[in-house]
Amino acid sequence: GIQVEQSPPDLILQEGANSTLRCNFSDSVNNLQWFHQNPWGQLINLFYIPSGTKQNGRLSATTVATERYSLLYISSSQTTDSGVYFCAVDLTRAAGNKLTFGGGTRVLVKP
Amino acid sequence: DGGITQSPKYLFRKEGQNVTLSCEQNLNHDAMYWYRQDPGQGLRLIYYSQIVNDFQKGDIAEGYSVSREKKESFPLTVTSAQKNPTAFYLCASGEGGSPRFFGPGTRLTVL
Repeated sequence: GIQVEQSPPDLILQEGANSTLRCNFSDSVNNLQWFHQNPWGQLINLFYIPSGTKQNGRLSATTVATERYSLLYISSSQTTDSGVYFCAVDLTRAAGNKLTFGGGTRVLVKP
Repeated sequence: DGGITQSPKYLFRKEGQNVTLSCEQNLNHDAMYWYRQDPGQGLRLIYYSQIVNDFQKGDIAEGYSVSREKKESFPLTVTSAQKNPTAFYLCASGEGGSPRFFGPGTRLTVL
């Protein structure tokens, strides 16, 4: 099956710093999503981004499908950005399909 | 408010017992999913259902069972055949391609 690798596995930031998280995948994908899991376990969808660039506030994401990677940028980090960031991909177009998750990047933002 | 609810939040099981985790959504989504998350790991798919009265095995279905009798409900039973059930269980729903919204999760511990 498809392999999804995220780096770095852990990231410690000082509040206000910028950072880049990377997701590499082993095959062409139809769907790529970024999620944030807060310290209580709630998983929130950040971006649906199979290709191109999107921005949402201090977060932005870029997927280069031809080179099989995606980047998540966090600017001016805040303590509320702490948690685990997951990249997840899906190979097919059919409805109701599953996502394959990477191992996540654990982010800690210190005040 | 629209969303996904899971109950209970915490569940303790004795060895040899079957337990059922509840997942309800009022988003009118056709597709629903169950994922398992072990500490420090990504999510792995247990079962998914694209439509009422139909469901498919995911990557780690052994020891689990599901039903989908109603569009809004997708309960997961962890049977005694699941040898290592202690984990965090997340339910999700989606429309048009893949899971997008996740519930708050159930933490299952085997005593």
